[in-house]
Amino acid sequence: AAGVIQSPRHLIKEKRETATLKCYPIPRHDTVYWYQQGPGQDPQFLISFYEKMQSDKGSIPDRFSAQQFSDYHSELNMSSLELGDSALYFCASSLVVGAGDEQFFGPGTRLTVL
Amino acid sequence: GENVEQHPSTLSVQEGDSAVIKCTYSDSASNYFPWYKQELGKRPQLIIDIRSNVGEKKDQRIAVTLNKTAKHFSLHITETQPEDSAVYFCAASNRGSSASKIIFGSGTRLSIRP
Repeated sequence: AAGVIQSPRHLIKEKRETATLKCYPIPRHDTVYWYQQGPGQDPQFLISFYEKMQSDKGSIPDRFSAQQFSDYHSELNMSSLELGDSALYFCASSLVVGAGDEQFFGPGTRLTVL
Repeated sequence: GENVEQHPSTLSVQEGDSAVIKCTYSDSASNYFPWYKQELGKRPQLIIDIRSNVGEKKDQRIAVTLNKTAKHFSLHITETQPEDSAVYFCAASNRGSSASKIIFGSGTRLSIRP
């Protein structure tokens, strides 16, 4: 079965650079969630999209932005990167209506900021 | 917003013994309580979940209980095996809405002693 795809899997950036993380949800899933997991921490909710509209917002810095496109893939854009942005970034997708709404996590993107 | 507390932060048990992890949540609107197992650098994997209209659920060696009145839920692993060693996260969500983000507990690092 198709799973959530995230790219790139690893990314190394310098401070103050920008990064773009991509997420391709499971086909037919209409909702995408982004989570950030720092070393030794629990995943923290950043932002979600339902049917291409932002549906909820968590602890996402103003330097970050995200969107969901017409094909339902999502991108997380991160600017003015800081050392503290080094983390695992997970995308999850779900089908809100009718299918129980379980979130399926992607393999994550490991971002390292030097 | 929702807050999930999890105890203990670390747990070491002898192989074959049982392990119990406890969580509390704050938002009475939460109606879905998944448990995730995460190995180092990997995605969170759903191992069992329980909905607010159920008090207990069991799947082989894993069981979860939910006390909705007290806002407590617990994970029980019996006959522990070395492959059970991992970080376990409890979580809470308001499932069925277009913004059903998952709020994670702080995690329990479970070690199984041979």
